[in-house]
Amino acid sequence: KAGVTQTPRYLIKTRGQQVTLSCSPISGHRSVSWYQQTPGQGLQFLFEYFSETQRNKGNFPGRFSGRQFSNSRSEMNVSTLELGDSALYLCASRAPRDSGNTIYFGEGSWLTVV
Amino acid sequence: GNSVTQMEGPVTLSEEAFLTINCTYTATGYPSLFWYVQYPGEGLQLLLKATKADDKGSNKGFEATYRKETTSFHLEKGSVQVSDSAVYFCALSRRGYNKLIFGAGTRLAVHP
Repeated sequence: KAGVTQTPRYLIKTRGQQVTLSCSPISGHRSVSWYQQTPGQGLQFLFEYFSETQRNKGNFPGRFSGRQFSNSRSEMNVSTLELGDSALYLCASRAPRDSGNTIYFGEGSWLTVV
Repeated sequence: GNSVTQMEGPVTLSEEAFLTINCTYTATGYPSLFWYVQYPGEGLQLLLKATKADDKGSNKGFEATYRKETTSFHLEKGSVQVSDSAVYFCALSRRGYNKLIFGAGTRLAVHP
């Protein structure tokens, strides 16, 4: 069974640009969430989607947005990039309740803003 | 609010030494507790979990017991290997919520 797949793995953007990151959850998982990891702030929750609906949102500015498609794949977008947005962005998918409810992470997308 | 506090690292051990990484939490209700491990350049891997008080999670020689009375979930391993060198994150999630709240992480370095 394939794990959580994130693309691209590495990318470099310039301040002011926008970026879209993609996540394919484990087959059968309908809940997808996103986290930002930085050395200073650690791991912080961005948002969660279930059946194409955002169910929970972390404390991030409106420049951070996401969506989920009918096949459970998810994208997150960051507009007007700032240097401080440089981070590892992790996607996670959650197993259904009757399969243990466990949250599994992808390997992440490393974003560098210059 | 809900939070997780881990012992600060780095923790440096010799191979075959005993490992303890302390983790305490603050949460309303009865959260589920997790340990995740992150190897260099990789994402997070679930190491073990416990969903109710007195549960013991175990995997790959690592163990942690959900202690409600002390609000703790300390990670232990009897004999560490060089390959265990990584960053370890303690996390909680409240029942009914899929959001994980993480501790700051503890870096473990094991030397031969």
